[in-house]
Amino acid sequence: ETGVTQSPTHLIKTRGQQVTLRCSSQSGHNTVSWYQQALGQGPQFIFQYYREEENGRGNFPPRFSGLQFPKYSSELNVNALELDDSALYLCASSYGTGGGYEQYFGPGTRLTVT
Amino acid sequence: GNSVTQMEGPVTLSEEAFLTINCTYTATGYPSLFWYVQYPGEGLQLLLKATKADDKGSNKGFEATYRKETTSFHLEKGSVQVSDSAVYFCALILYNNNDMRFGAGTRLTVKP
Repeated sequence: ETGVTQSPTHLIKTRGQQVTLRCSSQSGHNTVSWYQQALGQGPQFIFQYYREEENGRGNFPPRFSGLQFPKYSSELNVNALELDDSALYLCASSYGTGGGYEQYFGPGTRLTVT
Repeated sequence: GNSVTQMEGPVTLSEEAFLTINCTYTATGYPSLFWYVQYPGEGLQLLLKATKADDKGSNKGFEATYRKETTSFHLEKGSVQVSDSAVYFCALILYNNNDMRFGAGTRLTVKP
């Protein structure tokens, strides 16, 4: 059973640019959640995708968007990058939605916006 | 709203010392509670969980009991090791919700 993987590991972008982060979920998981973890803080929920549809969103603006594809891959897209977007971005996959299902986290993508 | 407040760090202990990291929560419903651990350069790993009042989660010598009366889920370990050095996060999620809420994290350093 493979774990959750993310790419790239690190990324540096300039303010105003767009970025795409990728996640490969654990086999069999139909749900993926994305989190933003600022330095020294706990992760904050961005949104969740269930069977390729958005299924809940945290307090993040529309320039944060996502896609979930068949065969366990997903993307987080951020447009018009701002300096405050610098953070570790984590994806987590699970067998289902809601608190009854354990979320398995990837190692994260460290995004730096200059 | 739903939130988690955990003990501020950093916490520095000597090997074999007793560990307590406090966590309290506020929830509009009936949450499941979790402790996650994050080692340097890695993602979060689930350490233990509890889904109902009075449940005790345990793993690798760590324990936490879901206390509804005090809305707490304190993490304890009787004898810490250097390898336990990491950041620990308390978290909650409601059963019918997708938004897992995390505390700010507590950095633990264990010295030989």
